[in-house]
Amino acid sequence: GAGVSQSPSNKVTEKGKDVELRCDPISGHTALYWYRQSLGQGLEFLIYFQGNSAPDKSGLPSDRFSAERTGGSVSTLTIQRTQQEDSAVYLCASSFPPGEQYFGPGTRLTVT
Amino acid sequence: AQSVTQLGSHVSVSEGALVLLRCNYSSSVPPYLFWYVQYPNQGLQLLLKYTSAATLVKGINGFEAEFKKSETSFHLTKPSAHMSDAAEYFCAVSDRRTGANNLFFGTGTRLTVIP
Repeated sequence: GAGVSQSPSNKVTEKGKDVELRCDPISGHTALYWYRQSLGQGLEFLIYFQGNSAPDKSGLPSDRFSAERTGGSVSTLTIQRTQQEDSAVYLCASSFPPGEQYFGPGTRLTVT
Repeated sequence: AQSVTQLGSHVSVSEGALVLLRCNYSSSVPPYLFWYVQYPNQGLQLLLKYTSAATLVKGINGFEAEFKKSETSFHLTKPSAHMSDAAEYFCAVSDRRTGANNLFFGTGTRLTVIP
């Protein structure tokens, strides 16, 4: 079956612009996660959605970052007023807890 | 807070040699532990996981890991390296106490296999 998909695969944006990154989880998975992978910080947890519960936003690095999950399926990660330090690969994963997390291929964000 | 430490950011082995990638966790309560592999320009793939059943966990591609509570370790091994094993490997932990499923990753170990 289809895995986790993310779009776009690459995004180049100018400093100060807003960007939206999309994640389509595996159908039926109730949990969705966003992580960030960067050279300086490694793999970091950003935010976690589980069903209809309030998301765990404890990993978001600043208030410029936000995410939503519509209809318990697709999720969008939004970064406002992008900074160069936001350049990274943003990974999305989904799961049917307590099962394993399946990761998408990521979106490579470059802020110039 | 949960955390894992991976010793050695780069490991090189000869083809056919033993692979040993080290991971230590810090937690007063044994967490859930995972090893993921990332091939170039690809997402993460689960190799194996420990969730308190058998302490020796077998995964895909001939890898296995042993949970040792006394050493707070979860090292990844493979008896004989293949060229196709060249990738980056991440150890990760989640907190079983809270039931949270988000993962906290180590800094990764890049494995090079020398022909």
